[in-house]
Amino acid sequence: GAVVSQHPSRVICKSGTSVKIECRSLDFQATTMFWYRQFPKQSLMLMATSNEGSKATYEQGVEKDKFLINHASLTLSTLTVTSAHPEDSSFYICSARGENWAGSPLHFGNGTRLTVT
Amino acid sequence: TQLLEQSPQFLSIQEGENLTVYCNSSSVFSSLQWYRQEPGEGPVLLVTVVTGGEVKKLKRLTFQFGDARKDSSLHITAAQPGDTGLYLCAGAGNQGGKLIFGQGTELSVKP
Repeated sequence: GAVVSQHPSRVICKSGTSVKIECRSLDFQATTMFWYRQFPKQSLMLMATSNEGSKATYEQGVEKDKFLINHASLTLSTLTVTSAHPEDSSFYICSARGENWAGSPLHFGNGTRLTVT
Repeated sequence: TQLLEQSPQFLSIQEGENLTVYCNSSSVFSSLQWYRQEPGEGPVLLVTVVTGGEVKKLKRLTFQFGDARKDSSLHITAAQPGDTGLYLCAGAGNQGGKLIFGQGTELSVKP
């Protein structure tokens, strides 16, 4: 089945540094990728929708200058957390969908646990 | 704005018991999906329901989509400790393929 690979699975960084998370679709072309944030024992909160070749669409309340999204190819989207602070510590998950999205499920990566010290 | 209300948010039961998780909305969804997530991992798709009134079974799990496609339920028969996890319902909204997630149900099945 379709696979989405997310890297790294865990990252610890110091406050003020930037961290890049990659999301790759391994056996299909993902025209749309979604980035979520999840707190412990809570549901997924959509941060932004990433479309290949165009600017990402951010959800209300998500700072686009802090969470930079680039979807440069049909198989890769990146999320960069800039000038990270401890409150950015969270579980970040990407998901991807192919061209014919209507009714098709999302395929999720395994998430990235970000800890900012 | 489309919303999905999922209940209960927490459920702790003994092995062998049955349980039902509900997902309700005032909006119509073109499809609804159920996911299961374990700590430190991404959600894994269990089922997609598309047709109003549809019932799908996956071993001891039974999924139902409401006739009006506004609600869904997940019923687990004879729960086992291996069923422990976070269960998420998600509806395909009307905004470019975005999924609307419910709040999740944290299920704990004790042996």
